[in-house]
Amino acid sequence: NAGVMQNPRHLVRRRGQEARLRCSPMKGHSHVYWYRQLPEEGLKFMVYLQKENIIDESGMPKERFSAEFPKEGPSILRIQQVVRGDSAAYFCASSPFASGSGGYNEQFFGPGTRLTVL
Amino acid sequence: GNSVTQMEGPVTLSEEAFLTINCTYTATGYPSLFWYVQYPGEGLQLLLKATKADDKGSNKGFEATYRKETTSFHLEKGSVQVSDSAVYFCALYGQNFVFGPGTRLSVLP
Repeated sequence: NAGVMQNPRHLVRRRGQEARLRCSPMKGHSHVYWYRQLPEEGLKFMVYLQKENIIDESGMPKERFSAEFPKEGPSILRIQQVVRGDSAAYFCASSPFASGSGGYNEQFFGPGTRLTVL
Repeated sequence: GNSVTQMEGPVTLSEEAFLTINCTYTATGYPSLFWYVQYPGEGLQLLLKATKADDKGSNKGFEATYRKETTSFHLEKGSVQVSDSAVYFCALYGQNFVFGPGTRLSVLP
């Protein structure tokens, strides 16, 4: 059973371009989470999605960032008009069940996409 | 809001030395607590967890005890190996995960 897959592993963009990060959850997992890790910092929660629904986007910047998890295909984190401050590692995690007020369900992390904005 | 503070690194130890990485938290309610490990170029892997006060999580020789009275979850290992070199993250889960900044451990042969 393959783990969580993310691609690309490394992405270089110039300021003003768009970045698209992909995450394929583990087989059988329908819940996806995106996190951002700035240099020398811990991971910060961005967004939690279920198939075709955004459940919690409280950690997502209000502008330029969007996420989707379509019925078919990977989850996509999209950053429009990137700026240097967007340079970070972006991690995706998946779980088989919902997380939230009902309690913790283990999240399995992908290897991350390292975004560098020139 | 919830937060996690952990010992600043880097921590450098010789093989077979005793390891402690301190972690304290601030949270409303009774969160679950975790230690994750990140090896170079990889994602986070769950190392151990504890879901209620006085629980002890353990795995691969690592241990941590959920101390509600001191709001702490310190990571310990009696004898580290070179292969333990990685970044260690303390985290809590209430409504979402909140991670500490990570502590880089280097173990020298």
